[in-house]
Amino acid sequence: IAGITQAPTSQILAAGRRMTLRCTQDMRHNAMYWYRQDLGLGLRLIHYSNTAGTTGKGEVPDGYSVSRANTDDFPLTLASAVPSQTSVYFCASATGNTGELFFGEGSRLTVL
Amino acid sequence: DQQVKQNSPSLSVQEGRISILNCDYTNSMFDYFLWYKKYPAEGPTFLISISSIKDKNEDGRFTVFLNKSAKHLSLHIVPSQPGDSAVYFCAARRSNTGKLIFGQGTTLQVKP
Repeated sequence: IAGITQAPTSQILAAGRRMTLRCTQDMRHNAMYWYRQDLGLGLRLIHYSNTAGTTGKGEVPDGYSVSRANTDDFPLTLASAVPSQTSVYFCASATGNTGELFFGEGSRLTVL
Repeated sequence: DQQVKQNSPSLSVQEGRISILNCDYTNSMFDYFLWYKKYPAEGPTFLISISSIKDKNEDGRFTVFLNKSAKHLSLHIVPSQPGDSAVYFCAARRSNTGKLIFGQGTTLQVKP
């Protein structure tokens, strides 16, 4: 089934550690996004990429970095995790003109 | 500042009745509005959208209404079914960047 695959599904890590959340899509969508979901705050955009080779900052980019070496992969890296980065992270891709996003299943991250 | 607001964190309705979920926005630079549905432990899935030049869009049991003068949109579900129980996010697409801004979400419970 075509779609977005995220890994890991969940992870607990110590503060200060480096962590990369992986995201792969097989729909050949140009645009990809990383959101975090927090109770009472909805989904907030961390970083995005309109096409391979380009990235941009969203609403809450601090403490995160992304890369887009090819169309399919869009990893999100936390260089030095902090407890406030405990959240559920969703990767998404998009095509077309209506803004419809296709989301992955999410990665639940707990930073202790 | 929260540009897209869902002021009701939760809503409970009886099966067969109408569910009305509301969303307000503060920015006029949105060209599309979308509703997403999210089940626990899954990613959000697209439900229905509406262009800013329209005031109504219908898809089966789901209808979205847009009131531009009031900067308000609503999602009507008729008749409501227990399977509709989920978190519903409204989202608005910025016309200049194409990015989606999400509301905080409303948890809908449909009781049998």
